[in-house]
Amino acid sequence: KQEVTQIPAALSVPEGENLVLNCSFTDSAIYNLQWFRQDPGKGLTSLLLIQSSQREQTSGRLNASLDKSSGRSTLYIAASQPGDSATYLCAVKRVYNFNKFYFGSGTKLNVKP
Amino acid sequence: GAGVSQSPSNKVTEKGKDVELRCDPISGHTALYWYRQSLGQGLEFLIYFQGNSAPDKSGLPSDRFSAERTGGSVSTLTIQRTQQEDSAVYLCASRRASGGQETQYFGPGTRLLVL
Repeated sequence: KQEVTQIPAALSVPEGENLVLNCSFTDSAIYNLQWFRQDPGKGLTSLLLIQSSQREQTSGRLNASLDKSSGRSTLYIAASQPGDSATYLCAVKRVYNFNKFYFGSGTKLNVKP
Repeated sequence: GAGVSQSPSNKVTEKGKDVELRCDPISGHTALYWYRQSLGQGLEFLIYFQGNSAPDKSGLPSDRFSAERTGGSVSTLTIQRTQQEDSAVYLCASRRASGGQETQYFGPGTRLLVL
């Protein structure tokens, strides 16, 4: 069974700080890993998708890394802004069933002005 | 174009009543997913549709839960004889094709409260 854990559960930082969110998974036989953002009252928005053969993906101020062998991914946010405040979820798909996501419980980020 | 829509956005019901939650996926998306998000928890997979068939319904928590999809488009999740532990946000997502590479697009969710 695939279990996904995210640490920390909540994080509060002042504007401008660089920060790292962590995601770990128990089964390294993954198809891909995806980071999502969830705003209150809204659905999830995809941020970055990393295929199992990739080591990282970048989009603007966001960089996601993947280390399959250790079962870890990190989401790095540079120069954080108040608009980055949201819950960040990571999700993995297993090789055996790539139609199913396994989600972590998320990290709730608050960026203070 | 329009994204995934869900209705109602909020639903309050009494314990024991049946509820129906609706999902309208993005036009042309053949894959459709239902998830449940309980307070402070991650998303829990419920069921996956490819077209009108459901090759994976392993996440449905009990036989009180059922889902159908018609015309390869709209899907309805039905919860019979609701219980308080069914209170959660129910999220729907769609994807253009089967297979793993493309991302899922999520709707805003239906917030269900069972009193």
